[in-house]
Amino acid sequence: KAGVTQTPRYLIKTRGQQVTLSCSPISGHRSVSWYQQTPGQGLQFLFEYFSETQRNKGNFPGRFSGRQFSNSRSEMNVSTLELGDSALYLCASSLVWARRGRAEAFFGQGTRLTVV
Amino acid sequence: GNSVTQMEGPVTLSEEAFLTINCTYTATGYPSLFWYVQYPGEGLQLLLKATKADDKGSNKGFEATYRKETTSFHLEKGSVQVSDSAVYFCALSSLVNTGTASKLTFGTGTRLQVTL
Repeated sequence: KAGVTQTPRYLIKTRGQQVTLSCSPISGHRSVSWYQQTPGQGLQFLFEYFSETQRNKGNFPGRFSGRQFSNSRSEMNVSTLELGDSALYLCASSLVWARRGRAEAFFGQGTRLTVV
Repeated sequence: GNSVTQMEGPVTLSEEAFLTINCTYTATGYPSLFWYVQYPGEGLQLLLKATKADDKGSNKGFEATYRKETTSFHLEKGSVQVSDSAVYFCALSSLVNTGTASKLTFGTGTRLQVTL
């Protein structure tokens, strides 16, 4: 069974540009979450999507957005990039158990974004 | 809000030494608890999990017990190997938004270095 696939693995962008990152979840997983990892702030939750709807959002500015498609694939977009957006962006997919709602998350290898 | 506190690293051990990485949490309700491991340049891999009080998660010689009375989920391994060198993250997952979504809250991570 293929794991979570994130593309691209590495990106270099200039301040002010925008970027789109892609995530393909494990087959059959309907929930996709995004996290930002930086040395200073650690792992921070960005948002979660399920059935093409954003279910939960972290404390990030509106420049960070995402969406989910009918096949559960997800993209996140960051507009007007700032130097501080340089980070490893991780995508995670999980089965959603309606009653328990707390299935483990499986992570992709991440996209390393560098803003110069 | 929810939070996870991990012991500061780095932790340096000789091969075959005993490992303990402390983790305590604050959460409302009944969260699930996880340990994830991150090798250099990689995403997060689920190491083990526990979904209710007194559950013991185990994998690859690592163990952790969900202690509700002390709100702890300490990671242990009886004999570490050089290949265990990585960063370890304690995390909790709880229901949000009236149970329609879940979110992982991570500790800051503990770097483990095992030497020969």
